Amino acid sequence: AQSVTQLGSHVSVSEGALVLLRCNYSSSVPPYLFWYVQYPNQGLQLLLKYTSAATLVKGINGFEAEFKKSETSFHLTKPSAHMSDAAEYFCAVSGYGGSQGNLIFGKGTKLSVKP
Amino acid sequence: DADVTQTPRNRITKTGKRIMLECSQTKGHDRMYWYRQDPGLGLRLIYYSFDVKDINKGEISDGYSVSRQAQAKFSLSLESAIPNQTALYFCATSDRTGEPQYFGPGTRLTVT
Repeated sequence: AQSVTQLGSHVSVSEGALVLLRCNYSSSVPPYLFWYVQYPNQGLQLLLKYTSAATLVKGINGFEAEFKKSETSFHLTKPSAHMSDAAEYFCAVSGYGGSQGNLIFGKGTKLSVKP
Repeated sequence: DADVTQTPRNRITKTGKRIMLECSQTKGHDRMYWYRQDPGLGLRLIYYSFDVKDINKGEISDGYSVSRQAQAKFSLSLESAIPNQTALYFCATSDRTGEPQYFGPGTRLTVT
């Protein structure tokens, strides 16, 4: 069985500050991990994915995430927040090789960026 | 043009009515999915289809049915809508590896 926990339903940062969105997973098989972003009134867009290659994954818009097996974590970071980063972010897990292709999503973290 | 389209984008309906949400994709993917999103609950899988003849229930299939009319089309039906089915519904597609999934823009459904 797989599950995802996102710590913090709301995170607020100042423009230019570090963004850190936390995700912990539980998986009985080697996981594939994903971060998606949802801008207001839009669908979900893939930010980045971990599929058992490099543990540090770089995504779009300057985001990156590091897979830490010992901590069962896949936290999302960005060195310097921009106003356009304000959105809701979802972490998701699937089993190795797509495990039927079903994603299990976290409940989301809404990021606010203050000027 | 968008790769994954959903119609309608917004719909208000009354309790007890039958409603169909449609999804079309031009990505050539075999797999298609229906999710619902509720505030604070993330996305939950309703149904998924690996190909035209392979349809499976997801986490919350009760009260819903689906039809895979073609590789590119996957529709979701609410046979008798109820207010707690008010939500944002997303269609997604993927290739045979299962990831990543590409999402449509969503359908906002309100059941009064």
